[in-house]
Amino acid sequence: EADIYQTPRYLVIGTGKKITLECSQTMGHDKMYWYQQDPGMELHLIHYSYGVNSTEKGDLSSESTVSRIRTEHFPLTLESARPSHTSQYLCASSESGGSGNTIYFGEGSWLTVV
Amino acid sequence: AQSVSQHNHHVILSEAASLELGCNYSYGGTVNLFWYVQYPGQHLQLLLKYFSGDPLVKGIKGFEAEFIKSKFSFNLRKPSVQWSDTAEYFCALKGAGNMLTFGGGTRLMVKP
Repeated sequence: EADIYQTPRYLVIGTGKKITLECSQTMGHDKMYWYQQDPGMELHLIHYSYGVNSTEKGDLSSESTVSRIRTEHFPLTLESARPSHTSQYLCASSESGGSGNTIYFGEGSWLTVV
Repeated sequence: AQSVSQHNHHVILSEAASLELGCNYSYGGTVNLFWYVQYPGQHLQLLLKYFSGDPLVKGIKGFEAEFIKSKFSFNLRKPSVQWSDTAEYFCALKGAGNMLTFGGGTRLMVKP
């Protein structure tokens, strides 16, 4: 069973607010990811990290930012939320090295911006 | 560039019917292929994966998938579905690096 946690699970906020989605994993994985999934649509990678102090943008452009100060923690921040940011955000992690490593997902954070 | 296509967006079956969900990918190198499932209100879970060897892969809950390299396909199958299989199913490809590219997902509804 994977140990990766996201908070909050559900959040409704007003336009212009700053929000941070938390993601923590207790597996000691070096690699962590943020995916975005709009209802009924596919998953898109928006950020990833290969270790502490390493962050990169993914395939889908996103106005969010991430940080990786600790191995186990990979928070995602929106400085000024807009209705277009309404989506589900999924955090994931995987081990380093070798091929074929499985990626483990958190339960997701549902964000609604009104 | 790598991409994954799932042709069926919605599938409705009766219990005990057989299931096959299509997945085609585009990538020129060595691939690792996955099927993930997301039950209503729950997080993504790994159903099965193919890395190498036997192209017929068996996963949890009676699911299996067959990797056909010549067809760039990795279809998911189950001989007899149950109501509890109602979920969204995602095919995913890991090519370059360690990141997954997902298909659009297929929503399966099994009627009791």
